[in-house]
Amino acid sequence: ETGVTQSPTHLIKTRGQQVTLRCSSQSGHNTVSWYQQALGQGPQFIFQYYREEENGRGNFPPRFSGLQFPNYSSELNVNALELDDSALYLCASSLADSGGRWEQYFGPGTRLTVT
Amino acid sequence: AQSVTQPDIHITVSEGASLELRCNYSYGATPYLFWYVQSPGQGLQLLLKYFSGDTLVQGIKGFEAEFKRSQSSFNLRKPSVHWSDAAEYFCAVGARGYSTLTFGKGTMLLVSP
Repeated sequence: ETGVTQSPTHLIKTRGQQVTLRCSSQSGHNTVSWYQQALGQGPQFIFQYYREEENGRGNFPPRFSGLQFPNYSSELNVNALELDDSALYLCASSLADSGGRWEQYFGPGTRLTVT
Repeated sequence: AQSVTQPDIHITVSEGASLELRCNYSYGATPYLFWYVQSPGQGLQLLLKYFSGDTLVQGIKGFEAEFKRSQSSFNLRKPSVHWSDAAEYFCAVGARGYSTLTFGKGTMLLVSP
């Protein structure tokens, strides 16, 4: 069973540019969540996709957007990059059981540096 | 709104000594509770989880945690720490039917020889 994978591992962008991060969910998982982890902080929820629809959003501006594809892989897009967007971006996939229980499995993350 | 507090930013423990990392949560209903571990520059690995039932849960790597509703706590314990346990530990809370997590700010565990 393949775990959650993310690409690229590292990325350096300039302020004002746009970036796309990619995530492949664990086999069979239909829900993907994205988190931003700034240095020295806990992960912050950005948004979640369930069966290709956005299913919840944290306190992030609209320039953070996403997609989920029929194979449940996902993209995170960030427009008009700001210096404060420098962080580790984590993708997590999950699948709820019949009792509503779930757990999230995280990928290794993409380290984004904005200069 | 959900929130998680991890009061200790850093903890240093001697190898072989016992460990307890504190976690307090705020949530209106019965929470789902999780502990994750993160090594430098890596993603998060799930150590253990609590959904309901037995309040003492066992996890991987010899860790356990106890859910205490009256104290809104979910502290992580290990009877004997190994040098390889040095990492950052995150407590997180979620809810039934909505699979997102609210994390604490983490506790960095340092293990001294």
